[in-house]
Amino acid sequence: QKEVEQDPGPLSVPEGAIVSLNCTYSNSAFQYFMWYRQYSRKGPELLMYTYSSGNKEDGRFTAQVDKSSKYISLFIRDSQPSDSATYLCAMSAFTNAGKSTFGDGTTLTVKP
Amino acid sequence: ETGVTQTPRHLVMGMTNKKSLKCEQHLGHNAMYWYKQSAKKPLELMFVYSLEERVENNSVPSRFSPECPNSSHLFLHLHTLQPEDSALYLCASSQNRDSQYEQYFGPGTRLTVT
Repeated sequence: QKEVEQDPGPLSVPEGAIVSLNCTYSNSAFQYFMWYRQYSRKGPELLMYTYSSGNKEDGRFTAQVDKSSKYISLFIRDSQPSDSATYLCAMSAFTNAGKSTFGDGTTLTVKP
Repeated sequence: ETGVTQTPRHLVMGMTNKKSLKCEQHLGHNAMYWYKQSAKKPLELMFVYSLEERVENNSVPSRFSPECPNSSHLFLHLHTLQPEDSALYLCASSQNRDSQYEQYFGPGTRLTVT
């Protein structure tokens, strides 16, 4: 079983929709939860990270962590065509400095 | 130049060639990473360097040889690769090894082994 499982997608939504991207994990030692966005032919770009449980908001993006369920989500409000990309969740633990475990990625297309 | 840069952006090499990938970070970070990204697979961590010292070698075959001459530069030397090594190779950096939750990635080198 993989340590991190990400909803595979692909996901296609109309412009303005609310998007929910999700990952589950099995390692209870994970303390940091990250979301990266990767455009085609580019490297991943950090959107935001969250420490432990709770929510974090940045503009149209909200990251949510539920450690009791080992479940994390990224919500995108008022989605735009420019949000079309692959989204990667990633997680890391204090005890394993330098090492992050990534999900497979979910490809999102926002149609005008 | 800003952020993390990688050269070359594309590389085609034969199985008997020797080539090197270069990464440079302009962020003043102390930790640097090499990742492999293959289609339909998650990012695979290959190597981690902290203050020029290799601190992680994630069971990578010896045909991949990293080098970190200083905290701003990272190389990946390639020799006698296999076709399954074809992938996007990404370099990343973070302030230090403990802040791996905030990594900055370069654009990657698309490697094709023929």
